[in-house]
Amino acid sequence: GAGVSQSPRYKVAKRGQDVALRCDPISGHVSLFWYQQALGQGPEFLTYFQNEAQLDKSGLPSDRFFAERPEGSVSTLKIQRTQQEDSAVYLCASSFTGTSGSSDTQYFGPGTRLTVL
Amino acid sequence: AQSVAQPEDQVNVAEGNPLTVKCTYSVSGNPYLFWYVQYPNRGLQFLLKYITGDNLVKGSYGFEAEFNKSQTSFHLKKPSALVSDSALYFCAVRVSIKAAGNKLTFGGGTRVLVKP
Repeated sequence: GAGVSQSPRYKVAKRGQDVALRCDPISGHVSLFWYQQALGQGPEFLTYFQNEAQLDKSGLPSDRFFAERPEGSVSTLKIQRTQQEDSAVYLCASSFTGTSGSSDTQYFGPGTRLTVL
Repeated sequence: AQSVAQPEDQVNVAEGNPLTVKCTYSVSGNPYLFWYVQYPNRGLQFLLKYITGDNLVKGSYGFEAEFNKSQTSFHLKKPSALVSDSALYFCAVRVSIKAAGNKLTFGGGTRVLVKP
């Protein structure tokens, strides 16, 4: 069955370049999440959408990070003027409902591995 | 604030032996607890979750986990490990109150190595 898909799977950027990472959630899933996973660590929350509304962006590390989900389905995470410390795997997850505090399972995509040189 | 601790960076076990991966958590309120597994170059795969009710939760691939409220623990177990269980395991927590939102907080992960 169709799961969460992400593209590209691998991205190499030169320091200072802008990058855009795409996430296609499971069809019909209301909630969409972005996480950042540094090498050897657990994922850390970046931001959360309920449909097209960005309800929580408390995890975005700087104003160089921007996420959108304009039609409530596909989401794009954009990183401007990339820095070496941005190198990580960026994981997208989706869940069925948008109810805050729900017990819904988040299903993860394969991630995009970003390397900034 | 919520947090998760996985005290062991790596667990080594012989194939056929029981496997335990430890997890403790800290939250304000009732927790929802999750276990995920990650294979190389792949995303996180859901194994099981605790919401409420029975403290013993059964999940995919023969895994189970026991919720212990007094010890704030949610250890993952498998009675007989397989070589194919070798992977990176993550425990995660979310609070069940509406104001806390839906973000997961993950532990640092435990690498499991099952030797033939």
